Amino acid sequence: AQTVTQSQPEMSVQEAETVTLSCTYDTSENNYYLFWYKQPPSRQMILVIRQEAYKQQNATENRFSVNFQKAAKSFSLKISDSQLGDTAMYFCAFMKTSGATNKLIFGTGTLLAVQP
Amino acid sequence: NAGVMQNPRHLVRRRGQEARLRCSPMKGHSHVYWYRQLPEEGLKFMVYLQKENIIDESGMPKERFSAEFPKEGPSILRIQQVVRGDSAAYFCASSPQAYEQYFGPGTRLTVT
Repeated sequence: AQTVTQSQPEMSVQEAETVTLSCTYDTSENNYYLFWYKQPPSRQMILVIRQEAYKQQNATENRFSVNFQKAAKSFSLKISDSQLGDTAMYFCAFMKTSGATNKLIFGTGTLLAVQP
Repeated sequence: NAGVMQNPRHLVRRRGQEARLRCSPMKGHSHVYWYRQLPEEGLKFMVYLQKENIIDESGMPKERFSAEFPKEGPSILRIQQVVRGDSAAYFCASSPQAYEQYFGPGTRLTVT
């Protein structure tokens, strides 16, 4: 069975600074997707970034980038130039591509607070 | 294109009552997933449906919970005889294909 671990329950960063959120996962699958979702106080789940396991190049979306280390099963999220609106809970998620169900397996989340 | 709609956004039920949660997927999406988020936890998969078919219900409690996605109309997650432990946020996500899942705003169920 797949598991996702986020070892940082809470983090804090100053506005305009850079912060990295950690995520590790365990799987025997070779092909899968990894995601970072953001959940602000409104509770809406917002997709931040996606990484396909077969791609060596790290995904980037504006101020958000990942460091994907497949051999180490590590998938960290870097937020550059942090903004107050980045304050939210961040969830790392895994999805295997084999089988009939593409369900997401989530970590327990990291609460990020951006300080002015 | 409207996003995934869920209603109600908040639902209060007394113990023993039934709760019905609705999810209207995005236009053109035929795959629906339900997830539950208990307080202070991440989301946990419950069930995956396609039109008129339950594909995977491995995350559903064996009793009191059921789900459907009829040919016409929204997907329904039904919880019979609710208990306090059912209090949670229930999220629906829809997908046009394999890996893109778009989440609705969730329904927060409170059992008193």
